[in-house]
Amino acid sequence: AQSVTQLGSHVSVSEGALVLLRCNYSSSVPPYLFWYVQYPNQGLQLLLKYTTGATLVKGINGFEAEFKKSETSFHLTKPSAHMSDAAEYFCAQKGWGAQKLVFGQGTRLTINP
Amino acid sequence: GAVVSQHPSRVICKSGTSVKIECRSLDFQATTMFWYRQFPKQSLMLMATSNEGSKATYEQGVEKDKFLINHASLTLSTLTVTSAHPEDSSFYICSARGSGGGTDTQYFGPGTRLTVL
Repeated sequence: AQSVTQLGSHVSVSEGALVLLRCNYSSSVPPYLFWYVQYPNQGLQLLLKYTTGATLVKGINGFEAEFKKSETSFHLTKPSAHMSDAAEYFCAQKGWGAQKLVFGQGTRLTINP
Repeated sequence: GAVVSQHPSRVICKSGTSVKIECRSLDFQATTMFWYRQFPKQSLMLMATSNEGSKATYEQGVEKDKFLINHASLTLSTLTVTSAHPEDSSFYICSARGSGGGTDTQYFGPGTRLTVL
């Protein structure tokens, strides 16, 4: 069965520091991969997605993620954290032709002033 | 583009009553809509998938008679929690996937917080 693992349920960084949120997927074929952000008491907002083509994907709010097939990873990064980045982040995968998204357990990002 | 709305955003009801939650795709036609439930500090749990004009497909362990889903049009799906009990209190989120070029992406609504007293 497909699964998504987010390493670290809670990540804390200082304002201005690099943000790195880890995501590994399990799939026999390259899936579609997504990062979503959820602010308190809100739904999920799409940050970025990988389907095919360029493995480095740029998203909104300065985030980017790189698809690495050899490592089955899709880690999310941002060079310089901002206080407004504090939120819950979910990595998800979808198989080609599948309807359902498989979510990771989420990573709560805290930004220290 | 790709905006999904939910109504109401928050609802409090008495035990035993039914509650209807609406999910609308505002600027695209949603051939498929999904309903999720999220417990505090946890990930999303898929409850059911609904395709316009057909019966919803429920995930294992989700009671179809308790959580009634209707997807009558390409822009509207509803989730009715029947005879709600306190254990049904949760955050319910819908998502929608359109036809055409964006079929690989789900767009999420803002969620509905249900509290059953």
